[in-house]
Amino acid sequence: SQTIHQWPATLVQPVGSPLSLECTVEGTSNPNLYWYRQAAGRGLQLLFYSVGIGQISSEVPQNLSASRPQDRQFILSSKKLLLSDSGFYLCAWSIRGTSGRGGTKNIQYFGAGTRLSVL
Amino acid sequence: AQSVTQLDSQVPVFEEAPVELRCNYSSSVSVYLFWYVQYPNQGLQLLLKYLSGSTLVKGINGFEAEFNKSQTSFHLRKPSVHISDTAEYFCAVSDRDSSASKIIFGSGTRLSIRP
Repeated sequence: SQTIHQWPATLVQPVGSPLSLECTVEGTSNPNLYWYRQAAGRGLQLLFYSVGIGQISSEVPQNLSASRPQDRQFILSSKKLLLSDSGFYLCAWSIRGTSGRGGTKNIQYFGAGTRLSVL
Repeated sequence: AQSVTQLDSQVPVFEEAPVELRCNYSSSVSVYLFWYVQYPNQGLQLLLKYLSGSTLVKGINGFEAEFNKSQTSFHLRKPSVHISDTAEYFCAVSDRDSSASKIIFGSGTRLSIRP
């Protein structure tokens, strides 16, 4: 079965410090990968998605970047954190492209999330 | 482009009472529809999905939802809630033809169960 891992679970960082959040998927190959941010009391905002190694699409301009160095690894980074970067960050995966039939490719499976507090 | 509106940000319900969480969507193309549940400090878990076929779909934990194309709605229902159903619920829509399988989420409805 497939599993998705995110770490760390919680993180407290000072303003101006760098950030690296990691997400890995097991039990599947060639997944689509996603990073979301959930601000307090708000819905999910898609930050980045990737359909393959080295292929990153950004949904919103911001202080963050993403990389996909390996097929099942997705990293969210920042060189200098801002207060506004605080939030709950979620990684997700889905079956890529036409591999899934009848809509199964559109189902996303989420990690447990990382709660980031920038102070 | 798609959008999702969850009309209620919070829904308080007594235990064993029925509940309906409302969701309306907007899209110019055919879509798939989802409900996800998020328990405190956890990721999202798929509750149920409408991909095709019967418009009444059943999910985990006794929840069900009905796809109404004419009203562009996908309301979530449960006939009798339990304390353990306390969570945030997200309605979501995905373009059937999206190669990247992107999902648009609603802003969420916080369901609180009173004993």
